[in-house]
Amino acid sequence: QLQLQESGPGLVKPSETLSLTCIVSGGSISSSNHYWGWIRRPPGKGLEWIGDIYYRGNTYYNPSLKSRVTISVDTSTNQFSLKLRSVTAADTAVYYCARRRMSSSWIDYWGQGTLVTVSS
Amino acid sequence: QSALTQPASVSGSPGQSITISCTGTSSDVGAYNYVSWYQQHPGKAPKLMIYDVANRPSGISSRFSGSKSDNTASLTISGLQAEDEADYFCHSYTSSSTWVFGGGTKVTVL
Repeated sequence: QLQLQESGPGLVKPSETLSLTCIVSGGSISSSNHYWGWIRRPPGKGLEWIGDIYYRGNTYYNPSLKSRVTISVDTSTNQFSLKLRSVTAADTAVYYCARRRMSSSWIDYWGQGTLVTVSS
Repeated sequence: QSALTQPASVSGSPGQSITISCTGTSSDVGAYNYVSWYQQHPGKAPKLMIYDVANRPSGISSRFSGSKSDNTASLTISGLQAEDEADYFCHSYTSSSTWVFGGGTKVTVL
């Protein structure tokens, strides 16, 4: 059974960089049939797509976050990562990593989510 | 890109049917059959209910169904049950090779 687990600091200071890693177990991140991505949900608000990555490194980002976001993949350790620069309180959210099936709207596996708070 | 438009809340009594709409544009919902719906209970990760407009994953009750007309997708829950009370989000591919979520709908079972 595939499992995704987010890891990273739960508290980040304003203007600094938020860094999260998603560890994939029970399956290979080098699947040719899937993308791997990040989604967040700020308190009291809806879901927001952050971006996706293919195991070969192709990336797709939300235009509203593109200037601050980098998603990378490490096939040797079966994990992928998110970096969000110059964070503000508006970036406080539960961050989820997820797997998306290629050529479909199907996000079939999600991590449990991790709360990241931006505060001094 | 703008979030897809969903009603903030929808309610119904047990056994009734409700429909949640998801309105986009000809560049997202109207352009592709890549619309999915997710259910999220408090403190839990979202759960896929419908993918590619009208397909149900294995294990999802047939009480959930999806459809699309022009730029609006819809999720219908028939035979409403107490466990259906949750937030629901639509999700669509866009012509910019990106993805967008709806603002979310809170379903209340009266």
